[in-house]
Amino acid sequence: QVTLRESGPALVKPTQTLTLTCTFSGFSLTTDGMSVSWIRQPPGKAPEWLARIDWDDEKYFTTSLKTRLAVSKDTSKNQVVLTMTNVDPVDTATYYCARTDYYGSGTYDFDYWGQGVLVTVSS
Amino acid sequence: EIVLTQSPATLSLSPGERATLSCRASQLVTVDYLAWYQQRPGQAPRLLIHGATSRATGIPDRFSGSGSGTDFTLTISRVEPEDVGIYYCQQYGGSPLFSFGPGTKVDI
Repeated sequence: QVTLRESGPALVKPTQTLTLTCTFSGFSLTTDGMSVSWIRQPPGKAPEWLARIDWDDEKYFTTSLKTRLAVSKDTSKNQVVLTMTNVDPVDTATYYCARTDYYGSGTYDFDYWGQGVLVTVSS
Repeated sequence: EIVLTQSPATLSLSPGERATLSCRASQLVTVDYLAWYQQRPGQAPRLLIHGATSRATGIPDRFSGSGSGTDFTLTISRVEPEDVGIYYCQQYGGSPLFSFGPGTKVDI
């Protein structure tokens, strides 16, 4: 059974660094074709993909936020960590982590999602 | 940058009616890389369709996907009350690597 769960602060002050952790089970990020992405969704808006880390440690970021994002994995703990620097109130959103199993499906989509964590950026 | 546009913005239906949701891309999208998601109120998105036409595991067969090139469609053959939510299309391969459409809200 595949599960993902996000954890992190509910409230962050502007200019601070946000650190979110995705803890997953039911699959391994050492398996070829596996990746975990971070996706956020501001209240009332569509999801926005932020970053992806692959089984071979390749990393990809959305262009508009590339300078503020970092992603890493700890395969021994089954965790993926996202950091976002210099946060602003416009970064207020629910942040999700989600799995892609490219070799399993042959497609790039998100077949399992965490329940999300709402992060509010406010002073 | 590939921009996805969805129509209509809102769809109001009665149980048993057919729902047709459209997703149009600003550039060609590889069929393998077009997906549809359902987001029920207060929940995370759920994968419905991948590769434009393949139902994800556990998705009822009243959901079907079609299309190619720049025009894709999600059809719900007979809507049920539990189908209330927002439906998003998503593409892979452009810039940004993944993008979502603005969504179609389905009311029943």
